Amino acid sequence: DTGVSQNPRHKITKRGQNVTFRCDPISEHNRLYWYRQTLGQGPEFLTYFQNEAQLEKSRLLSDRFSAERPKGSFSTLEIQRTEQGDSAMYLCAWAAASTDTQYFGPGTRLTVL
Amino acid sequence: QKEVEQNSGPLSVPEGAIASLNCTYSDRGSQSFFWYRQYSGKSPELIMFIYSNGDKEDGRFTAQLNKASQYVSLLIRDSQPSDSATYLCAVNTNAGSARQLTFGSGTQLTVLP
Repeated sequence: DTGVSQNPRHKITKRGQNVTFRCDPISEHNRLYWYRQTLGQGPEFLTYFQNEAQLEKSRLLSDRFSAERPKGSFSTLEIQRTEQGDSAMYLCAWAAASTDTQYFGPGTRLTVL
Repeated sequence: QKEVEQNSGPLSVPEGAIASLNCTYSDRGSQSFFWYRQYSGKSPELIMFIYSNGDKEDGRFTAQLNKASQYVSLLIRDSQPSDSATYLCAVNTNAGSARQLTFGSGTQLTVLP
């Protein structure tokens, strides 16, 4: 039990299509993160939510990427006009309000053909 | 210079031996340090965290931190084949409100039966 579920677990799409991923914290975790991990690399920070507020975004988060966390519960990450370079594992993580320790969900593996 | 550096490996050790994994970081303001284990195709799983200089032990795992040298290590005693995975070092700086993690590229460990 990692404290979050992610759906879908795998997504194959064609270049130019839009995709949306969902992250559901099992309980209402205050802090929620999105990371992206490509093969052979560590995860890279994309964006951060504290409750429903998106407080930080990485320069990696181009205009084609958007993330939301309505009502401070689940979060979605949308990629518009996907490119082959978007192929990666997209990871959601949570942290309790009082600690820096982050726990990762199972991830969504995106393949763009 | 990468912010968090790890030897990519692969590192091979015989079963029962001590595996030593190393990590250096560039930001002297870093305050929290984490080791994650990642099996192929899976998401990172937290193994240990350490905040203060010195050693921290948890079962077969020992994390060591030397802030003066900007160095973090993970020792795995009595290594088992099930320890074969990629080990990710992650560092949390105090910059910004997100307190996101910055990861190294990981060290691939193989424990030989």
